[in-house]
Amino acid sequence: NFMLTQPHSLSESPGETVIIACTRSSGRIAANYVQWCQQRPGSSPTTLIYENNRRPSGVPDRFSGSIDSSSNSASLTISGLKTEDEADYYCQSYENGHQVFGGGTKLTVL
Amino acid sequence: EVQLVESGGGLVQPGGSLRLSCAGSGFNFGDYAMHWVRQPPGKGLEWVSGISWSGTSIAHADSVKGRLTVSRDNSRSSLYLQMNSLRSEDTAVYYCARAPSWSENWFDTWGQGTLVTVSS
Repeated sequence: NFMLTQPHSLSESPGETVIIACTRSSGRIAANYVQWCQQRPGSSPTTLIYENNRRPSGVPDRFSGSIDSSSNSASLTISGLKTEDEADYYCQSYENGHQVFGGGTKLTVL
Repeated sequence: EVQLVESGGGLVQPGGSLRLSCAGSGFNFGDYAMHWVRQPPGKGLEWVSGISWSGTSIAHADSVKGRLTVSRDNSRSSLYLQMNSLRSEDTAVYYCARAPSWSENWFDTWGQGTLVTVSS
């Protein structure tokens, strides 16, 4: 199975834009859809992005997803950062019925 | 309101067994694939197992294969995880999560989690 690698932590100021990368270790990033989950402190995860760039109903359009085949990675972009965006973010993909999560990125908004 | 509620967690000794349950409400449980995802204290998410709506397709992570077994009872709108031969590394919060189908590999609803602690 492949691995998904994310930066351990990032910090950015309110109102700014942050990009969280997720690199697939083997196999093409485009071979299987990538999802992104948010987990606020003390809460269950929620899905922000599915199938690379689709948002479930209720997720603000400040959150967007994309993939880049040249770097074999996916990205979550959060624009107009708010203090409530401070959370852990996980990318997730799959292969042969098995789900794979990235290690998570702790985003600090200060 | 769509809801998933896990139960059955607790303290168990190494080598022991536990059965987790996840009750679904507010939707037709039998229309969805279901998964278990766990999170050790202070660490990231790890997928454990998944099961299709009918139970005919099942997958487990290599780290739990042969020890943890997923099942479901659509008549009771419930998902289960039978946990045997438990190890300290199985200590985690266990979440159940709903997927639109077996081929749609994303989770549109998560439960609140139940804590399993494996310790002597």
